[in-house]
Amino acid sequence: NAGVTQTPKFRVLKTGQSMTLLCAQDMNHEYMYWYRQDPGMGLRLIHYSVGEGTTAKGEVPDGYNVSRLKKQNFLLGLESAAPSQTSVYFCASRKPGLAGELFFGEGSRLTVL
Amino acid sequence: EDKVVQSPLSLVVHEGDTVTLNCSYEVTNFRSLLWYKQEKKAPTFLFMLTSSGIEKKSGRLSSILDKKELFSILNITATQTGDSAVYLCAGADGGTSYGKLTFGQGTILTVHP
Repeated sequence: NAGVTQTPKFRVLKTGQSMTLLCAQDMNHEYMYWYRQDPGMGLRLIHYSVGEGTTAKGEVPDGYNVSRLKKQNFLLGLESAAPSQTSVYFCASRKPGLAGELFFGEGSRLTVL
Repeated sequence: EDKVVQSPLSLVVHEGDTVTLNCSYEVTNFRSLLWYKQEKKAPTFLFMLTSSGIEKKSGRLSSILDKKELFSILNITATQTGDSAVYLCAGADGGTSYGKLTFGQGTILTVHP
């Protein structure tokens, strides 16, 4: 019963370093999302994908890149980390359609010093 | 710009109390309202509401949507310490291909024994 799995769960970076967060889902979902969660601001969408090989920008895409080379994986990259990117990152997936239940991963806590 | 506002932002009650959490929304092409419970990690799905006035129930939790007044409430009766969590609501925009969700800030519920 893996569902949505994120790695790593914790990471500390220095300003300017790069890293990649990996999201893997085993539910054969078409749609995948990356959100960030900051205190008092709810969940904000960074990037999303509606299928293998496609990605698009969400509300707060600056400083992030994504790739969806395989249907089950959605990668979030930070090319040059900044302290403003300190946050908890959640990956989510769901079946296609106009609206529906999102299945979330357990989150990745990133601190940028 | 879509907006979802939850109130109160935090709430402290004792076991056995009944609580009502509020969620108001302004969402373009509104399609549905979703509620999630977030304990330490991943948000977990509670309800999706599409039709006005129809209550959804799951055990001690229930929720209803008012599409005229643009709000939803989540009720929890006979609260237990295990209900302590952040409760998130989100409005779904049916006009986007990816089912855009706008999340509220969340209500932090603390239930004391």
